[in-house]
Amino acid sequence: GESVGLHLPTLSVQEGDNSIINCAYSNSASDYFIWYKQESGKGPQFIIDIRSNMDKRQGQRVTVLLNKTVKHLSLQIAATQPGDSAVYFCAERAGANNLFFGTGTRLTVIP
Amino acid sequence: EPEVTQTPSHQVTQMGQEVILRCVPISNHLYFYWYRQILGQKVEFLVSFYNNEISEKSEIFDDQFSVERPDGSNFTLKIRSTKLEDSAMYFCASSPLLEQYFGPGTRLTVT
Repeated sequence: GESVGLHLPTLSVQEGDNSIINCAYSNSASDYFIWYKQESGKGPQFIIDIRSNMDKRQGQRVTVLLNKTVKHLSLQIAATQPGDSAVYFCAERAGANNLFFGTGTRLTVIP
Repeated sequence: EPEVTQTPSHQVTQMGQEVILRCVPISNHLYFYWYRQILGQKVEFLVSFYNNEISEKSEIFDDQFSVERPDGSNFTLKIRSTKLEDSAMYFCASSPLLEQYFGPGTRLTVT
């Protein structure tokens, strides 16, 4: 079955530094990926998505990279701010419209 | 900016009781979903709904669960006879096509 896993459960960065959060997926049929941010007590918040026909997509301060060869997804956050502190999930879609979520990485920004 | 809303924010119920969790998806979205997140674990897909019927459901979504869109705005999840292991955050999501937007969740506590 599908599985989505994250390499690091926690990540601490200094304010102003760049953050990189990684995600591995196992289903080569997955064609769509989303990164979500979840703050304590809140629902997942959409950050950025990417389709499998792309390698890179940029948003405001965020970039998602997709490497289909090694089934790896990463989220880069530029100039990390204290408000970026949260748990970050990657999620994949394989055929149907439901999403399979990873276990999450907790990002802590040190002021 | 339109948001998915959910009520109540917290529901406490006794084992064996029925609960109904309510959601108002974003108004022009066509696809609706329920997910759950047991404390400290990843978000898990329950069911997707499109064109007034279930389009996909997971193994978690057994006969004790049902969904309904009783009018043009609400989307509900009913658990007929709650178990202790149903205690979790329940998230509703909606999407125009691919990108899913989540509500703030309902914390269900079964005692």
